[in-house]
Amino acid sequence: GQSLEQPSEVTAVEGAIVQINCTYQTSGFYGLSWYQQHDGGAPTFLSYNALDGLEETGRFSSFLSRSDSYGYLLLQELQMKDSASYFCAVRPRGQNFVFGPGTRLSVLP
Amino acid sequence: DTAVSQTPKYLVTQMGNDKSIKCEQNLGHDTMYWYKQDSKKFLKIMFSYNNKELIINETVPNRFSPKSPDKAHLNLHINSLELGDSAVYFCASSQGLRNTEAFFGQGTRLTVV
Repeated sequence: GQSLEQPSEVTAVEGAIVQINCTYQTSGFYGLSWYQQHDGGAPTFLSYNALDGLEETGRFSSFLSRSDSYGYLLLQELQMKDSASYFCAVRPRGQNFVFGPGTRLSVLP
Repeated sequence: DTAVSQTPKYLVTQMGNDKSIKCEQNLGHDTMYWYKQDSKKFLKIMFSYNNKELIINETVPNRFSPKSPDKAHLNLHINSLELGDSAVYFCASSQGLRNTEAFFGQGTRLTVV
């Protein structure tokens, strides 16, 4: 089967940079996605890496290394509103999305 | 305009009842999903439909029955509700089976008492 691992919690202060890692045991997937979910809200798509390397979208960047079965989400210039849960997800070929367990990010003033 | 909308947002019901959750998307997507998010926030896929056809049915009790009258709608009917069914249920959609970007509805918080 497929499984993804993420740290359960990360804490950082406003203005800092934080990296949320995702390791996985799966093969033959289309790419690694990241979703953000605020308490009481719906998951919203943040980024997608089809190929190895870094993808940048504003303050957020995401990285994938298929050879290392590893990816991360990098959040820069943290703001209080970034406090949320972050999920990595893969879509194995011919199968449904598989989400990681989520990382709860707390941004402190 | 809401892209993926599901109703109701909250549902409180007694054990043994039957209930339905409706979902509609106006994105023109051809693939829709139901997810269950438990109290530990773990997101688990339940069903996926592509062009109104069931593609994948994960290990879900047959008390759960999805119905897709057209590509824009995917409803979830649950029979004989149990306490363990209490969770937040999310509908989502994407374009194509390879697309890795899914759009989620606001969720339905189901509480079985």
